[in-house]
Amino acid sequence: DAGITQSPRHKVTETGTPVTLRCHQTENHRYMYWYRQDPGHGLRLIHYSYGVKDTDKGEVSDGYSVSRSKTEDFLLTLESATSSQTSVYFCATQGGIGNYGYTFGSGTRLTVV
Amino acid sequence: DAKTTQPPSMDCAEGRAANLPCNHSTISGNEYVYWYRQIHSQGPQYIIHGLKNNETNEMASLIITEDRKSSTLILPHATLRDTAVYYCIVGYSTLTFGKGTMLLVSP
Repeated sequence: DAGITQSPRHKVTETGTPVTLRCHQTENHRYMYWYRQDPGHGLRLIHYSYGVKDTDKGEVSDGYSVSRSKTEDFLLTLESATSSQTSVYFCATQGGIGNYGYTFGSGTRLTVV
Repeated sequence: DAKTTQPPSMDCAEGRAANLPCNHSTISGNEYVYWYRQIHSQGPQYIIHGLKNNETNEMASLIITEDRKSSTLILPHATLRDTAVYYCIVGYSTLTFGKGTMLLVSP
């Protein structure tokens, strides 16, 4: 979706290095989410944000942190990447809760070697 | 979020209607039913959602039973491009994705 841009699209990094993934939206949506997708597990929620500087943990938040200093940007940081964090990461936005659908980005494929 | 049950896979002939079932017997009163699909490794795509009433848009129709314990997503004229994993989710804010139904549309 043109309104959501994830960067980088692909990244290979070494174990123990910090990594930041960026989600940028032009939809002015208040709600933003980070998911990871792995074979056999489907999509799992990492962190989410209900507004600027308002974030909370999801199902699989250990090893991850997030920041939202502007409405349009939601950053996901792996402080010290591990091989178990090799995954495809999807960002999603939502205009409101309840009667709104999610819009997903195209994903970032992260490989930790 | 309430849990949903979907068949792991379904087949459909091109041009025919695809009816994808979903059970959500523990749905709460304020929870919506959402349907998404994911084609290969792309990001999930929103299809439709509803609370109590049946809904229709340009992609599909959503039929929700009166007791809200189950629903059916209908793709009226399936095409090869509709081959994807379809997720039925119930929730209000954060959404929990299950394993979905792999729909294979064949010529």
